[in-house]
Amino acid sequence: DVKVTQSSRYLVKRTGEKVFLECVQDMDHENMFWYRQDPGLGLRLIYFSYDVKMKEKGDIPEGYSVSREKKERFSLILESASTNQTSMYLCASSSSGSIYETQYFGPGTRLLVL
Amino acid sequence: DAKTTQPPSMDCAEGRAANLPCNHSTISGNEYVYWYRQIHSQGPQYIIHGLKNNETNEMASLIITEDRKSSTLILPHATLRDTAVYYCIVRPLYNNNDMRFGAGTRLTVKP
Repeated sequence: DVKVTQSSRYLVKRTGEKVFLECVQDMDHENMFWYRQDPGLGLRLIYFSYDVKMKEKGDIPEGYSVSREKKERFSLILESASTNQTSMYLCASSSSGSIYETQYFGPGTRLLVL
Repeated sequence: DAKTTQPPSMDCAEGRAANLPCNHSTISGNEYVYWYRQIHSQGPQYIIHGLKNNETNEMASLIITEDRKSSTLILPHATLRDTAVYYCIVRPLYNNNDMRFGAGTRLTVKP
């Protein structure tokens, strides 16, 4: 079974703080993704990565950056957290070995910025 | 913007089949239909996907109409643990970053 883990289930931070969200997958997947999920807006793609040290912007990259130094780990960074970044953050991974490339999701991190 | 339309909510009796519809009238030839579900406070869980043929796995069946403009996810014997939000997504075959989740259908399985 694919396992995607995220470093925290719940996180409370203050405005202006630098926030790190970590995601690790154990299936040697090439592709990793960060989404945020907000009521009424569904999931929105922030960033994704096809390989180590590679990153691509998604639909809403503003205010975020990412890091992929190792294949199994993909970090989302909020350089200066703001209240409008309060959200549920979901990490996903997928393989490039299959044309179907199903994405598997982690449990999510619920971030509250005060 | 999501390319699918789903009813916002549905109820189903425990032990009965749950049939969740999805309209995707603008689907193109190279797009798959995917279904995920999300149980409260958890990450989305993959259920099933298909192109044009009906598909079945241990969790569900997927029925896609011949014109591919709509599909139905069938949970054959719904249990209370199937209560979740179900998302229907259309996704290009070779573009694995294009997973646009809409609002989904909130399925409530009742005893």
